[in-house]
Amino acid sequence: EIVLTQSPDFQSVTPKEKVTITCRASQNIGNNLHWYQQKPDQSPKVLIKYASQSFSGVPSRFSGSGSGTDFTLTINSLEAEDAAMYYCHQSNSLPWTFGQGTKVEI
Amino acid sequence: QVQLQQSGPGLVKPSQTLSLTCAISGDSVSDKSGAWNWIRQSPSRGLEWLGRTYYRSKWYNDYALSVKSRITINPDTSKNQFSLQLNSVTPEDTAVYFCAKTQWGKNWFDPWGQGTLVTISS
Repeated sequence: EIVLTQSPDFQSVTPKEKVTITCRASQNIGNNLHWYQQKPDQSPKVLIKYASQSFSGVPSRFSGSGSGTDFTLTINSLEAEDAAMYYCHQSNSLPWTFGQGTKVEI
Repeated sequence: QVQLQQSGPGLVKPSQTLSLTCAISGDSVSDKSGAWNWIRQSPSRGLEWLGRTYYRSKWYNDYALSVKSRITINPDTSKNQFSLQLNSVTPEDTAVYFCAKTQWGKNWFDPWGQGTLVTISS
């Protein structure tokens, strides 16, 4: 099973600040890494697919990078509505697995 | 636009069977490019993929090892939905359960159902 480790677990930021969240895989997963945002009492929503491809309808301040074992989600110029949990997910091999999540607090 | 609507009880007694259903609109459970998944989320285990069902000329299932001996995911083509059954539940199975779709070659989860909190308690 591929283990995904996110850092940090928690980040407190101010509006317009830049946020960087990392996700490290326990083995090479190519670009089979996706990012989700989850707000309280909601289902997760896709932000980034295949490490760096923006998902339809997602604001351009969200971007992703990386390949192999190290990946990054960047939120440029954070807005208040971006307060949420953020998760990475690998689809390189079954079982699909998720990172433990990063809480971004404004 | 694909939408998933979950239904099922929010309280199950220990040792009994957890049963949830996910109704599909805007797509077909028999779609040969889709796969229909169950995922759960709890404070102790985070987001955990449980399994999936999909149709490629016949029906297939994949299950997480952690629940493989207790889980069944079944399609219901007559109602265009799929179900989750988890047997012999314990309080550790208390979680929010989600259904979600993936597509072949596009293995991110989208869309998701609304989530169902299932509590295992007597």
